[in-house]
Amino acid sequence: KQEVTQIPAALSVPEGENLVLNCSFTDSAIYNLQWFRQDPGKGLTSLLLIQSSQREQTSGRLNASLDKSSGRSTLYIAASQPGDSATYLCAVTEYGNKLVFGAGTILRVKS
Amino acid sequence: DAGVIQSPRHEVTEMGQEVTLRCKPISGHNSLFWYRQTMMRGLELLIYFNNNVPIDDSGMPEDRFSAKMPNASFSTLKIQPSEPRDSAVYFCASSLMSSGGPKEETQYFGPGTRLLVL
Repeated sequence: KQEVTQIPAALSVPEGENLVLNCSFTDSAIYNLQWFRQDPGKGLTSLLLIQSSQREQTSGRLNASLDKSSGRSTLYIAASQPGDSATYLCAVTEYGNKLVFGAGTILRVKS
Repeated sequence: DAGVIQSPRHEVTEMGQEVTLRCKPISGHNSLFWYRQTMMRGLELLIYFNNNVPIDDSGMPEDRFSAKMPNASFSTLKIQPSEPRDSAVYFCASSLMSSGGPKEETQYFGPGTRLLVL
């Protein structure tokens, strides 16, 4: 059974810092890996999607990498801002279009 | 586009009552997903439909839960009878799955229905 783990569970950084969120998964038979953002009381917003054949994706200040063979992904956020404060969720897509989520990393960027 | 629409946004009910959650997917999407989010278990897939047909309902907790998709623009998740342990946020998501599979298609989530069963 696929298990997705995210480290750290929570992170607090001052504004302007670069930071890395980590995600690991136990079964490398995935279609893709996605990073989502969830704001309190809201739904999820997809940030980046990395196909299983890709190594990384970039969008603005965000960069996500994927090492499928080792079951790891990182989300790098450059020059963090208070507006980046949210919960970040990692999810892998398995056969059958099933998303398996990690528990998330709660990020707080202090101004 | 209005995105995925869910109703109600909040529901408070008493144990034993029937609860119906509703979802309108993004127009043109052919896959619809129901998730449940709790502090203890995180986000879990309950069931998903492709072209209005249930494909995988292995995540549905028990027979008290049922889901339908009578047409491409509407789905319901029903709990009967409801129990306090069903209290959670229920999300609906939709995507467009190409013939090549889910490799490239992200899921778009609705705002969720926050359910409290007393």
